[in-house]
Amino acid sequence: ETGVTQTPRHLVMGMTNKKSLKCEQHLGHNAMYWYKQSAKKPLELMFVYNFKEQTENNSVPSRFSPECPNSSHLFLHLHTLQPEDSALYLCASSQDAPDYGYTFGSGTRLTVV
Amino acid sequence: AQSVTQLDSQVPVFEEAPVELRCNYSSSVSVYLFWYVQYPNQGLQLLLKYLSGSTLVKGINGFEAEFNKSQTSFHLRKPSVHISDTAEYFCAVCGSGTYKYIFGTGTRLKVLA
Repeated sequence: ETGVTQTPRHLVMGMTNKKSLKCEQHLGHNAMYWYKQSAKKPLELMFVYNFKEQTENNSVPSRFSPECPNSSHLFLHLHTLQPEDSALYLCASSQDAPDYGYTFGSGTRLTVV
Repeated sequence: AQSVTQLDSQVPVFEEAPVELRCNYSSSVSVYLFWYVQYPNQGLQLLLKYLSGSTLVKGINGFEAEFNKSQTSFHLRKPSVHISDTAEYFCAVCGSGTYKYIFGTGTRLKVLA
């Protein structure tokens, strides 16, 4: 139990589908993050939310749309994805201090067909 | 801006042998340094971190790392590895005054019986 729960664990979707990834933490953290992990590449930071406000969008294509309704929940809405978007999507949370370290979820393995 | 280099993509080592996983960073500001471990089908878990003070940092599972400012390195070591240490290890840097972590490409440690 990592304290950060991501659902679903696996997702296969067509390029015309719309789906959402969910992340939930009850650690009392106030910052939440979406990362993309592709084979043989560094982890790519996608979005950062701090106290529910988006503080960073790392040049992510608009087919990825984040939503943070409160400091415990984070969503990533997906539409018209491409095969190269297939990856492991990791959610993380932390306290509002960079030296605190992140708590990661187990990730959602996304396959776009 | 910060960057992280993990030169070894894979490190095979026999059980009970010592291991060192290398990490070098570059930054124009002071940094916080981290090592994370990722077991198969799981998210990343914090192993240890260097914030300030003693340059030798001890973490979970018998791992330790040494911060060397002159060589801009933060190598991870374990004196005797177990089969269960087989995983991917990520070095990360966070610049003082930022909330952005930069991850290395990871080193896959394979412990052989």
